[in-house]
Amino acid sequence: AQTVTQSQPEMSVQEAETVTLSCTYDTSENNYYLFWYKQPPSRQMILVIRQEAYKQQNATENRFSVNFQKAAKSFSLKISDSQLGDTAMYFCAFYQGGSEKLVFGKGTKLTVNP
Amino acid sequence: NAGVTQTPKFRVLKTGQSMTLLCAQDMNHEYMYWYRQDPGMGLRLIHYSVGEGTTAKGEVPDGYNVSRLKKQNFLLGLESAAPSQTSVYFCATSPPVYGYTFGSGTRLTVV
Repeated sequence: AQTVTQSQPEMSVQEAETVTLSCTYDTSENNYYLFWYKQPPSRQMILVIRQEAYKQQNATENRFSVNFQKAAKSFSLKISDSQLGDTAMYFCAFYQGGSEKLVFGKGTKLTVNP
Repeated sequence: NAGVTQTPKFRVLKTGQSMTLLCAQDMNHEYMYWYRQDPGMGLRLIHYSVGEGTTAKGEVPDGYNVSRLKKQNFLLGLESAAPSQTSVYFCATSPPVYGYTFGSGTRLTVV
């Protein structure tokens, strides 16, 4: 079974700085997709970024970008110019092509300090 | 969240009581899911459905039942609530290849 590991339960960063959240996954397949979700204190789960494994180019969404290292099975999220509104839980998720569901990591709690 | 509505948003139950959580989606998706979120445990799948009239067990199905009588609705039932079921419950939909769209969650406390 696929697993997703987020090794940093909590992190903090100063406003305007850059922070990287780690995610590793385990699979023997080639057809898969990876996601980062943000959950602010409001509790709403928000899809931040999606990466298709067969694409070499790292996905980017405004200040959010990923470093996708397929051979290392690593999918880290970089947040540039951190803002107070980035304070949230961040979940990494994995989808195996042909499967029926996503597999989630346990999350990283990020605090952006003023 | 647009497209996925969960009711209620908050609920307090006494041990042994029953209740039903409703998830409704207007996105015409086949797939629907129920997760629970607990501190340090991430999101754990309770049950899911791949279409009207179908249901399947997830990681933590014990103590819960589900029904998908209509495509747009997915119900999660607790027959006899226990304090261990205190949690935040999320419904989600979408073909998983695109990532889920989540509802806003239900905070359930069992006392």
